[in-house]
Amino acid sequence: QKEVEQNSGPLSVPEGAIASLNCTYSDRGSQSFFWYRQYSGKSPELIMFIYSNGDKEDGRFTAQLNKASQYVSLLIRDSQPSDSATYLCAVERAAGNKLTFGGGTRVLVKP
Amino acid sequence: DAGVTQSPTHLIKTRGQQVTLRCSPKSGHDTVSWYQQALGQGPQFIFQYYEEEERQRGNFPDRFSGHQFPNYSSELNVNALLLGDSALYLCASSLGGGFVDTGELFFGEGSRLTVL
Repeated sequence: QKEVEQNSGPLSVPEGAIASLNCTYSDRGSQSFFWYRQYSGKSPELIMFIYSNGDKEDGRFTAQLNKASQYVSLLIRDSQPSDSATYLCAVERAAGNKLTFGGGTRVLVKP
Repeated sequence: DAGVTQSPTHLIKTRGQQVTLRCSPKSGHDTVSWYQQALGQGPQFIFQYYEEEERQRGNFPDRFSGHQFPNYSSELNVNALLLGDSALYLCASSLGGGFVDTGELFFGEGSRLTVL
């Protein structure tokens, strides 16, 4: 079992719709959770992070965390073609910035 | 404000050779981490340097080594290159050696290594 699992996709979403990305992790000691966006040939850029159970909203993005189910998700509202990228889920066991990444979900937003 | 810079951006080596990759952290950052990202996969943690010492290490063989200089810049060295070492090598900088969780890791654009 991989430590962090994501559906590789591609997840095809019409422009203006909601994209829903899921991530599960195996280490119950994980404390911090991150979503990164990576355009083809570019480096990952942080979208948002979440530490506590529940929802966290930032603009069109909402991260949801359920530690009991070891599940973290990302919702992208009003999806735009510029949101087409690979989205990486990452977890951190303790402060130290050693992140364990999932394989990423490729998202395609079609006009 | 300069972000994380890495060099070279692309390089080609043959099996058995050695390679050195370089990284300058974001201004004000003192911690450098290195990640390997194979094609179609997520980044994998190699190691982290803080105060010129290796603080954490991932599951990589001793062929992978590093160094951090007093100005916080860092090098990643890979000896006896294998075909499987072909990947994008990402440098990430942060502050505080991980003792203070800032919640953000700044990545450079990476060095793409091809081993033939």
